[in-house]
Amino acid sequence: AQSVTQLGSHVSVSEGALVLLRCNYSSSVPPYLFWYVQYPNQGLQLLLKYTSAATLVKGINGFEAEFKKSETSFHLTKPSAHMSDAAEYFCAVLSGGSYIPTFGRGTSLIVHP
Amino acid sequence: DGGITQSPKYLFRKEGQNVTLSCEQNLNHDAMYWYRQDPGQGLRLIYYSQIVNDFQKGDIAEGYSVSREKKESFPLTVTSAQKNPTAFYLCASSGGLAGDYNEQFFGPGTRLTVL
Repeated sequence: AQSVTQLGSHVSVSEGALVLLRCNYSSSVPPYLFWYVQYPNQGLQLLLKYTSAATLVKGINGFEAEFKKSETSFHLTKPSAHMSDAAEYFCAVLSGGSYIPTFGRGTSLIVHP
Repeated sequence: DGGITQSPKYLFRKEGQNVTLSCEQNLNHDAMYWYRQDPGQGLRLIYYSQIVNDFQKGDIAEGYSVSREKKESFPLTVTSAQKNPTAFYLCASSGGLAGDYNEQFFGPGTRLTVL
């Protein structure tokens, strides 16, 4: 079985501040992990993915995430928030031979000027 | 350009009507999916299909139906049996073979409103 927990339905930061969006997963086998971004009234777009290579994964728009097996976490970070980063972010996990991912409930990132 | 298209972007349904949402992909992906998105509830899987002429129910299939007559097309019908259909509907596709662990590619969505 696989599951994903995203802590915080809303995260608010000031422009230029560090962005940290939390994702914890549960999986009985080594997982594959994804972060997606969704802008208002649009579909989801892949930000980055972890597929058992490097534990620190770099994605688009300056985002990165670190896979920590001991903490079962895959938190998303960006050193300096931009107004254009305001969106909904979803963490997802694939494992156990399934091709259907399990998505977290999403975290809405709010960026203040 | 390869991608997924959904139509229409906005759809209005009267009580008791069936409506069909279109989803087409030219990515040559085997698997296709339909999700429903409501505020604060993330994505909920309605139906999915791994190959042509075969599909499976997801977590919230009641009141919905699908077909997969062609690899590139996966239309979703919202029937009158779906009591609360107002939502944002997302179609997705992926390589789909078990063990590939491919990411999903999403269409732009259809917003359905019941009048």
